[in-house]
Amino acid sequence: QTVVTQEPSFSVSPGGTVTLTCGLSSGSVSTSYYPSWYQQTPGQAPRTLIYNTNSRSSGVPDRFSGSILGNKAALTITGAQADDESDYYCVLFMGSGICVFGGGTKLTVL
Amino acid sequence: EVQLLESGGGLVQPGGSLRLSCVASGFTFSSYAMSWVRQAPGKGLEWVSGISGSGDSTFYADSVQGRFTISRDNSKNTLYLQKNSLRAEDTAVYYCAKGKYTSSTRHFDSWGQGTLVTVSS
Repeated sequence: QTVVTQEPSFSVSPGGTVTLTCGLSSGSVSTSYYPSWYQQTPGQAPRTLIYNTNSRSSGVPDRFSGSILGNKAALTITGAQADDESDYYCVLFMGSGICVFGGGTKLTVL
Repeated sequence: EVQLLESGGGLVQPGGSLRLSCVASGFTFSSYAMSWVRQAPGKGLEWVSGISGSGDSTFYADSVQGRFTISRDNSKNTLYLQKNSLRAEDTAVYYCAKGKYTSSTRHFDSWGQGTLVTVSS
């Protein structure tokens, strides 16, 4: 069974830069998986941040960016702000209509 | 403005059944694939099931295959999830999500607010 891996938690200082990653238990993540990223604060619905590896969803600040780093997809937050403190999830589309969420990364800004 | 409004959640006994609905507005419903995504208390998001815009193709996670059935009524702009043989581990908030699937993209671009399903005796 395909497992999508993310760091369970990460911490960043206000104004700092952090890169969260999204990998596969076996194999490399490429653009053909259409990696996307979603932000969720407690009690709220997810919000789409990044799709197609590096395209920002409407209204998303340009301090959020996506890329492929090595064999993983990556979400970079540049100039982190207090309200970036959230859970972040990546999704990979595996083909045949199936997609898999990563376990999520809890980002703390302090 | 895209709106997705889920309903149908509640308390159900193990082994029971429940049908969730998601009413969509603000876009041409039949042109878009839709999915159900769930989140157990204190846990991460899990994709459950997806359906093509026409309803001809359906897809399921292994964890619900054979127990859940996704469907849609494009005349009513409504997505459904029929859940049978419910287990405690199906307890979660269930979100409907609008998919954007083309030759060049696959992602969820809008989300509902979710409906809570609790499976307990």
